Amino acid sequence: DAGITQSPRHKVTETGTPVTLRCHQTENHRYMYWYRQDPGHGLRLIHYSYGVKDTDKGEVSDGYSVSRSKTEDFLLTLESATSSQTSVYFCAIKGGTSYEQYFGPGTRLTVT
Amino acid sequence: GQQLNQSPQSMFIQEGEDVSMNCTSSSIFNTWLWYKQDPGEGPVLLIALYKAGELTSNGRLTAQFGITRKDSFLNISASIPSDVGIYFCAGRVFGNEKLTFGTGTRLTIIP
Repeated sequence: DAGITQSPRHKVTETGTPVTLRCHQTENHRYMYWYRQDPGHGLRLIHYSYGVKDTDKGEVSDGYSVSRSKTEDFLLTLESATSSQTSVYFCAIKGGTSYEQYFGPGTRLTVT
Repeated sequence: GQQLNQSPQSMFIQEGEDVSMNCTSSSIFNTWLWYKQDPGEGPVLLIALYKAGELTSNGRLTAQFGITRKDSFLNISASIPSDVGIYFCAGRVFGNEKLTFGTGTRLTIIP
């Protein structure tokens, strides 16, 4: 257990509304990641963070923004949700000096 | 970006059979990781590989880092019902803190 929680676990929202997903970790890891998982695409990186206020884009960052004001929290925001952002979103942390990533339980987001 | 091809996409086997799956990359990787995902849950790390040619076991699971550094293999011996799920490979290139994931192999055990 890497001490990662995600909230909410499930959310249904309407097109055009803003949505924020939260990832919380309890073990002071420097690196945190947001992925989306869709059938046939595996896990694709949206954004990641390498420290407080330090973030960078992944391969599918369009339409998403992130913030990290505290080590333990990494927020993913959809400024104006679209149906193409219906997905399962996973947060991950990188453990210590290794390159192993550990995942949270996921958030299932449906945009109607 | 890096491309990872994972095969097979799905497998239907009987309990007790051995399983083999693999991932190939268009790039040279310095790290290979294998994950398993159960329905409704996040991926769980099974095995991490850091050296070309490395062979690492975790119970009935054995993974290998290919000597070309462009592929990796996962074997499961004597499959049991709890092995059902989706298996993902992931790789990392030198100097990068990001992973590239394969599209997964779905393992189903036929009664």
